[in-house]
Amino acid sequence: QITLEEPGPTLVKPTQTLTLTCTFSGFSLSTSGEGVGWIRQSPGEALEWLGIIYWDDDKRYRPSLKSRLTITTDTSKNLVVLMMTNMDPVDTATYYCAHSRRLPRCNGGNCYYFDFWGRGTLVTVSS
Amino acid sequence: QSVLTQPPSASGTPGQRVTISCSGSSSNIGSNTVNWFQQLPGTAPKLLIYNNSQRPSGVPDRFSGSKSGTSASLAISGLQSEDEADYYCAAWDDSLNALYVFGTGTKVTVL
Repeated sequence: QITLEEPGPTLVKPTQTLTLTCTFSGFSLSTSGEGVGWIRQSPGEALEWLGIIYWDDDKRYRPSLKSRLTITTDTSKNLVVLMMTNMDPVDTATYYCAHSRRLPRCNGGNCYYFDFWGRGTLVTVSS
Repeated sequence: QSVLTQPPSASGTPGQRVTISCSGSSSNIGSNTVNWFQQLPGTAPKLLIYNNSQRPSGVPDRFSGSKSGTSASLAISGLQSEDEADYYCAAWDDSLNALYVFGTGTKVTVL
């Protein structure tokens, strides 16, 4: 059974760096075809993909946020970390981590889909 | 803004069939598979359909997905009150160094 969990609600000040840890179980990020992604949702808005880290440590980021995002993993501890610099009130949102799995008989980063999600954590950016 | 366009709302009475459209382009739906997510109020999204038309284990067969060209659709047959939720389509987009894009979302109301 795959589960993922983000930390509790977080308050950060403008210009600070957000650090979120996703703790997971039921899979290994060292296994071929696995990945973990980050998605956020501002209040009342649609979902917005932020980035993904694959089993081989390859990463992809949302182009418009790429300069501010870093995703890392500690496979021995079953966790993935999202760092986002220079936070602004517009970054206030619920942040989700999600397990990603590669489609059978498919190669490449576009072959992954998100099948299990954490409950999400509300990040508020305010002074 | 999202590059996948969905109608903002859809509705039906219990037992009816509701269809939600998702319009994209050659760089996303036209060249990659489509996924659909259901988001009940106050909860995390749940995968409903992957690889255009496949259902994960546990998803009722009342939910079905299809894709044609640069558009996709989700159908809910035998609508039930617990289907009242927001629904999002999603796909990888090959432009701009590749990113995963979600649709604008559709609120389904059971009348």
